[in-house]
Parts: sequence; structure tokens; C-alpha cells
Amino acid sequence: NAGVTQTPKFQVLKTGQSMTLQCAQDMNHEYMSWYRQDPGMGLRLIHYSVGAGITDQGEVPNGYNVSRSTTEDFPLRLLSAAPSQTSVYFCASSYARWVGGHQETQYFGPGTRLLVL
Amino acid sequence: AQKITQTQPGMFVQEKEAVTLDCTYDTSDQSYGLFWYKQPSSGEMIFLIYQGSYDEQNATEGRYSLNFQKARKSANLVISASQLGDSAMYFCAMSPEYSSASKIIFGSGTRLSIRP
Repeated sequence: NAGVTQTPKFQVLKTGQSMTLQCAQDMNHEYMSWYRQDPGMGLRLIHYSVGAGITDQGEVPNGYNVSRSTTEDFPLRLLSAAPSQTSVYFCASSYARWVGGHQETQYFGPGTRLLVL
Repeated sequence: AQKITQTQPGMFVQEKEAVTLDCTYDTSDQSYGLFWYKQPSSGEMIFLIYQGSYDEQNATEGRYSLNFQKARKSANLVISASQLGDSAMYFCAMSPEYSSASKIIFGSGTRLSIRP
């Protein structure tokens, strides 16, 4: 059971380049989400998904695309990178609902550090 | 729109003392969940504790407890008998759904430093 995995761990891009941040989970969680964390700040929700084929926007979706073709994978795409997208990106997953009052948790990946020059 | 406010950017506490980290939230919903996360200097996000809006008793998890005051819209984290390993950033967060970790929004965090 690997939990939530993210690749790459670190990436440098030039302005205007595109790339995809990968996120995968092996816990059969319905819910997955992407956050960005800027220095000295909390996490901000970019996009989320409640299941395969279903995605929605979070607080800061501009400049990012997502898709969810399988339960396991939730890639984040930067179509044309900008310096303002320099940040640490976290992927997270959880069950959509906690059944029977049993408290579940939200599992985070280790993060991807992205630098856009 | 929902909002989380953490007014303490940084705190210093002596080892073995108890510490309270403040969190207030703003929502017009009746159904929601409140979370606390720890982020050590290594960067990973660690879930600590959860309180649902319908839960009448304050949540506890080991040395962590959540002081939930619904009328005041506050959800303070209390760490008893602090340890050096508690030094980290702490984030209060909120989901607009009860018994779910979906669409969580975060506060700006409090940096806790434990003095030996």
C-alpha cells in the first residue's frame, strides 16, 4: 500500500512550457484534490474530483487543467507555465463520505516543488 | 463563502507546557467539518484531528483535543504536554460537508516552536 504518490518531486520550467504533475493513490478513494502552497501560506484548493469522470474547480483553478479517467490517477496539467505558478503542489485523497460515524482521514502526497523561470 | 482565520502567525512555548492554537471560521452552513493538520519542516501534511458540526463532544486524539465552540465559530487546537517534536506549522481547515474531507479550505497557519 503506497498511499498517495506524486511525481516528479522537483521540476524547473521556463515560462510558457507545459507539463503534467502526476498523482496516484492505491486506496480506492473516490475523492482526490490538488492544492498549491506558496511560501508562508496555507494550502489553496486548485481542482478536485469526487470520482472517475467528475472534476470541479476549487479556489484557484486558473492556469490548470485536470481529468480523472480512473479512480487511481488524478493528473494536474499546466498548459503554459507562468512564474506565478512557482509553488509546492500537493495531491490528496480520501473517501468521499465517512460511513457509520467512523472518522477517516485525508491522505496527502509528499508534494512537488515547481519553479517557473 | 467559507473562511478560516488563524490570528497567531507564530508561538513559542516551553516544553511540557500545554498550548492552544486559535482558529475561527466563517460559514452560513449548518453542516461542515473542521480539521487540524501539522506540517513539519520536512514538508509533509499530517492529519491530526477532526470535528464535525453536529458532534456534541469535543474531539480528542491522544495529546490533541479540539475545543469546539459552535456559537463563537471557533475550533481551537489544544496540545497537552508539548514536546520538541511538536515544533511545526499547524493549519486549521474546513470542509463544507459533514463527515467528509472534500473541498477543504485552509487557514494561513501558525508556526509553533517548542523551547527545551
